Amino acid sequence: EVQLVESGGGLVQPGGSLRLSCAASGFTFSSYEMNWVRQAPGKGLEWVSYISSSGSTIYYADSVKGRFTISRDNAKNSLYLQMNSLRAEDTAVYYCARGDIVVLNYYFDYWGQGTLVTVSS
Amino acid sequence: AIRMTQSPSSLSASTGDRVTITCRASQGISSYLAWYQQKPGKAPKLLIYAASTLQSGVPSRFSGSGSGTDFTLTISCLQSEDFATYYCQQYYSYPPWTFGQGTKVEIK
Repeated sequence: EVQLVESGGGLVQPGGSLRLSCAASGFTFSSYEMNWVRQAPGKGLEWVSYISSSGSTIYYADSVKGRFTISRDNAKNSLYLQMNSLRAEDTAVYYCARGDIVVLNYYFDYWGQGTLVTVSS
Repeated sequence: AIRMTQSPSSLSASTGDRVTITCRASQGISSYLAWYQQKPGKAPKLLIYAASTLQSGVPSRFSGSGSGTDFTLTISCLQSEDFATYYCQQYYSYPPWTFGQGTKVEIK
């Protein structure tokens, strides 16, 4: 059974930092691309960042570029999101989501339960 | 970035009803569209990809159609467990992957 378990969320002051983790199990983690997607309270879904299976290709949403860093450790089956210079508008539930490609179709087929990040003084 | 617009933003329906949700892309995306279901406090769940292909394990009362810029998600006979928020997502041009704003299906 595919499982993705996020951790590391919490309350942080504006300008602060936080590191999120996502522990993966039930599949060959090193074979899959991974993403972070966030959801502000009462709002819709916003894609945040992507990392290829090897970690060689990385993308960010414009809203977090230069402040967030995605990484992965395939030996530990883990995905990370280092968040710096946090702003109030970064307050959200952060989900890790597995990317799957089937005949040119790329979608997020499994999601973790999410971890809440609150940026407030 | 490609903008995805869903309508309606919310709807009220009864168990057994047929429900249709529309998603429109700001430019043509062929059939590179997915639909997700999200229940309160839970993670999104993939329902459909390639505009009309049902993900494994998803009940057949869910169906998707469309190509280009206009897409629909239909629930043929609404069940109590289907009350949720539904999101469309394009993966024709990325990054970024973009989602619609969501459609909340509520009990009438």
